Amino acid sequence: SQKIEQNSEALNIQEGKTATLTCNYTNYSPAYLQWYRQDPGRGPVFLLLIRENEKEKRKERLKVTFDTTLKQSLFHITASQPADSATYLCAPTSNNLFFGTGTRLTVIP
Amino acid sequence: DAGVTQSPTHLIKTRGQQVTLRCSPKSGHDTVSWYQQALGQGPQFIFQYYEEEERQRGNFPDRFSGHQFPNYSSELNVNALLLGDSALYLCASSLGLAGATQYFGPGTRLLVL
Repeated sequence: SQKIEQNSEALNIQEGKTATLTCNYTNYSPAYLQWYRQDPGRGPVFLLLIRENEKEKRKERLKVTFDTTLKQSLFHITASQPADSATYLCAPTSNNLFFGTGTRLTVIP
Repeated sequence: DAGVTQSPTHLIKTRGQQVTLRCSPKSGHDTVSWYQQALGQGPQFIFQYYEEEERQRGNFPDRFSGHQFPNYSSELNVNALLLGDSALYLCASSLGLAGATQYFGPGTRLLVL
């Protein structure tokens, strides 16, 4: 069955630094991969989608890479801010979304 | 333009009872998916409705059932509640089938005592 692993449950970084979150998946070949942000007690919010034929996607301070050979996606937040503190979920997508358990990011002022 | 709405926001039930959760999709969306999210976990796919039919289903028992109405709104029913059903239930809407980008509602927090 599909398995999705996101690096450490929690990641703490200093304000202004770049946060890098990792998503690894096994046992399937998604056509694309999505990243969502979830704040406590709220539903996830869509951030970025990257297709299997794209290596990199950017949106403002966010950057996502997708390596289908390694079966891995990296999610970067540059110049991080305390407001970026949240849980970030990756969702390798084929016919439906399967979410990882998420990485809880805390940006320390 | 209203986003995805869910009701109720919170619910407390006892073991063995039945519960119905409701969802209205984002305007223009025709597909509704339901997810269960336990504390500290990612959302787990329950099922997806399109054109008033269940199109896909995750690894959940038959106690979990649903319905989609002609106006695209949806209900999630859970029978014979277990303690382990306590979770945040998320509804998400999208346009069309397959793994389209999901727009999530705020969720219904269910506590089973």
